[in-house]
Amino acid sequence: IQMTQSPSSLSASVGDRVTITCRAGQRISTYLNWYQQKSGTAPKLLIFGSSNVQTGVPSRFSGSGSGTDFTLTISSLQPEDFGTYYCQQSYSSPYTFGQGTKLEIK
Amino acid sequence: DVQVAESGGGIVQPGGSLRLSCVASGFTFSEYWMHWVRQAPGEALMWISRVNNDGTTTYADSVKGRFTISRDDAKNTVYLQMNSLRDDDTATYYCARGATAGTWPVLDPWGPGTLVTVSS
Repeated sequence: IQMTQSPSSLSASVGDRVTITCRAGQRISTYLNWYQQKSGTAPKLLIFGSSNVQTGVPSRFSGSGSGTDFTLTISSLQPEDFGTYYCQQSYSSPYTFGQGTKLEIK
Repeated sequence: DVQVAESGGGIVQPGGSLRLSCVASGFTFSEYWMHWVRQAPGEALMWISRVNNDGTTTYADSVKGRFTISRDDAKNTVYLQMNSLRDDDTATYYCARGATAGTWPVLDPWGPGTLVTVSS
């Protein structure tokens, strides 16, 4: 299942509301996870099942969507939120990832 | 603490072989699926293989027939045997636990990764 994220990169200011989108090549219900990766480190699970925030993740992160279209929203961007964000479908093997969205802080 | 940690990376010539290991701790290893994901320099994450807790294996097309995943539950370890390595196998290789959050499969946690460089 092909996963397509947009944008590929974005630059935003602290306090901004940021939205990243992910589109699946076929319907995947809510089997959509989001991961954050900071340079040189392992990815970290942020959101599972499209809209469920992983324990310990700040409440400014939220997710939504079902079927083929999904969004990750950061309600008020913080300096520590820089990094690359990946969506991943876990509906069927192989568990494919999107190409990533690189988020830079202005 | 639930942790996984990879080892075994290094520099290998094209056509060569390498075996990666991933040791798990802090959870009942035998009950979980385990995954390998790789990331070429500057590129996106790419899932490459999975071993279920019953030993069933799955592979991405790009590594099928060249890579073999296996597990040793007595040692809390999952392996990735990589043969016929090519330049485009150069990547950081991550091990991740396949967990279930609610009813949804996730990869969590991930290890810090081990770098494999295929070069003559």
